[in-house]
Amino acid sequence: DIQMTQSPSSLSASVGDRVTITCRASQSISSYLNWYQQEPGKAPKLLIYAARSLQSGVPSRFSGSGSGTDFTLTISSLRPEDFATYYCQQSYTTPHTFGQGTKLEIK
Amino acid sequence: EVQLVESGGGLVRPGGSLRLSCAASGFTYSSYWMTWVRQAPGKGLEWVANIKPDGSEKYNVDSVKGRFAISRDNAKNSLYLQMNSLRADDTAVYYCARERYSYGHPYFDFWGQGALVTVSS
Repeated sequence: DIQMTQSPSSLSASVGDRVTITCRASQSISSYLNWYQQEPGKAPKLLIYAARSLQSGVPSRFSGSGSGTDFTLTISSLRPEDFATYYCQQSYTTPHTFGQGTKLEIK
Repeated sequence: EVQLVESGGGLVRPGGSLRLSCAASGFTYSSYWMTWVRQAPGKGLEWVANIKPDGSEKYNVDSVKGRFAISRDNAKNSLYLQMNSLRADDTAVYYCARERYSYGHPYFDFWGQGALVTVSS
């Protein structure tokens, strides 16, 4: 199975900050990488698919990049509603494994 | 409006069985791959299984092989997860999700609200 490793596992930041979350795959997955946001008690929400494509309705302050084994999710200017947990997920092959999550907290 | 509504969760004893259902509406259900993802309390997301639009292909994670079975009824716009030989580590919220493809890249664009399954004696 392909292992997905996110860093950091948790992150404290302030409203207006620029933050970057990294995701590394244990083997090359081309651009088969998706990012999700999950608020406490809610279902995950798709943010980015195919490494860099923004899902419809998602604010443009979210962006994704990378290919092969190394990927990043960037939030250009944090807003209060962005404090949540973020997951990367590979869709290159089954099982479609997720990273362990990055919890973004208010500083 | 796309809607996915899970049902069938609850408390079950170790070794028992449970069947989850997911009712889909607002899209052409028979055209989409569908997926189950679970989340143990306080833990991350784990992909469980998926199924092709016509039901002819199914895949699942090793930890549920031989115990869980995914199926669908396109006439009823419904997805199912039959869970047998349940263990304590199967305790989780189970989400159904629609799987969409963009130039061959699959992703989960709509999710249900989740159904809690608790395995405990």
